Amino acid sequence: SQTIHQWPATLVQPVGSPLSLECTVEGTSNPNLYWYRQAAGRGLQLLFYSVGIGQISSEVPQNLSASRPQDRQFILSSKKLLLSDSGFYLCAWRQYGGNEKLFFGSGTQLSVL
Amino acid sequence: AQKVTQAQTEISVVEKEDVTLDCVYETRDTTYYLFWYKQPPSGELVFLIRRNSFDEQNEISGRYSWNFQKSTSSFNFTITASQVVDSAVYFCALSANTGNQFYFGTGTSLTVIP
Repeated sequence: SQTIHQWPATLVQPVGSPLSLECTVEGTSNPNLYWYRQAAGRGLQLLFYSVGIGQISSEVPQNLSASRPQDRQFILSSKKLLLSDSGFYLCAWRQYGGNEKLFFGSGTQLSVL
Repeated sequence: AQKVTQAQTEISVVEKEDVTLDCVYETRDTTYYLFWYKQPPSGELVFLIRRNSFDEQNEISGRYSWNFQKSTSSFNFTITASQVVDSAVYFCALSANTGNQFYFGTGTSLTVIP
């Protein structure tokens, strides 16, 4: 069966520090991968998605970047965090195809102080 | 462009009342898929249902039911005889058959009061 791992669960970082959140999927190959952010009391904002190794599509230009160095690994990064980067970050995957549902990781609560 | 609108930000109901969560979507694609997810306080998103644009039949699953109407671009979700465990944030989402994006609405926070 497929599983998705996301870590860390919580993270407190100072403004200006770098960020690296990692997500890995097991039990499937060539998944579509997604990063979402949920600000406090807000909806889910699609940040990046990837259909293959090295292929990243950005939905919202901002202080973050994403990379997919391996088929089942998706990394969210920042060189210098801003206060506005605080939020709940969710990684998700699905098989290729618009009809497929998303499977979500357990999320990372990021607080930038 | 694709867009999902959930106009109800927060809803409070007393236990055993029925409640309907509204979802309105926009898309230019003729083939698309609609979803509902539940986010309990733990934060993890739980899949509830998927519908494709060619199937307008309403669906019932226990206390949950969904009303899909293409004429009004709506995909509403009703909980019958609500329970405290239904308290959560509910998200409606849209995925077109072309492209790989998966868009969520802003969510409706439901509180069921015992």
